[in-house]
Amino acid sequence: QKEVEQNSGPLSVPEGAIASLNCTYSDRGSQSFFWYRQYSGKSPELIMFIYSNGDKEDGRFTAQLNKASQYVSLLIRDSQPSDSATYLCAVCGLDFGNEKLTFGTGTRLTIIP
Amino acid sequence: DVKVTQSSRYLVKRTGEKVFLECVQDMDHENMFWYRQDPGLGLRLIYFSYDVKMKEKGDIPEGYSVSREKKERFSLILESASTNQTSMYLCASSLLVSPSGTRGETQYFGPGTRLLVL
Repeated sequence: QKEVEQNSGPLSVPEGAIASLNCTYSDRGSQSFFWYRQYSGKSPELIMFIYSNGDKEDGRFTAQLNKASQYVSLLIRDSQPSDSATYLCAVCGLDFGNEKLTFGTGTRLTIIP
Repeated sequence: DVKVTQSSRYLVKRTGEKVFLECVQDMDHENMFWYRQDPGLGLRLIYFSYDVKMKEKGDIPEGYSVSREKKERFSLILESASTNQTSMYLCASSLLVSPSGTRGETQYFGPGTRLLVL
């Protein structure tokens, strides 16, 4: 059973600070990694994806991947109240010749004004 | 912009009823997925499809079936609804392979259907 683990939170961060969200995964064959944001009552929306070891930056968001340690993280700089949401980590591996995502249960982030 | 639509935002059904949830995407994506989302359990894959008339079981297919007669449409069927199927149901679609050849393509989600079975 492939697993994706996230701290459920809630994680509280002051406005303007850096929020750090972490995710570990069990399948070493995983190839692609995604971060989704989900506001309460809404569907998930993609923030970033990362395929290679290292950092990938997009605006205030940075995804970090370390395949040797099997973890992926998301940093949010200059946190805003609008960043308050649940963040889902998703991992894609190869399964019987097809690909599907395994999601973590999400980390609830609250930005405190 | 990718658009994934679901037939209903809210649905109330009675135990034993047959329930149809419809999902349509307009981006010519090969892959389509049905998930359910429950507090503390996250997103769980019910069924997915990589092509017309093709279906594969996900992690929790029991009590569900699917139909994909056209590329843009993927239906989830609850043959005999039960109270433990009360949940948020999310449809998603993605390309089979990205234009760059990268595997594991981004999934785009519909708005969700919140189903209550009484």
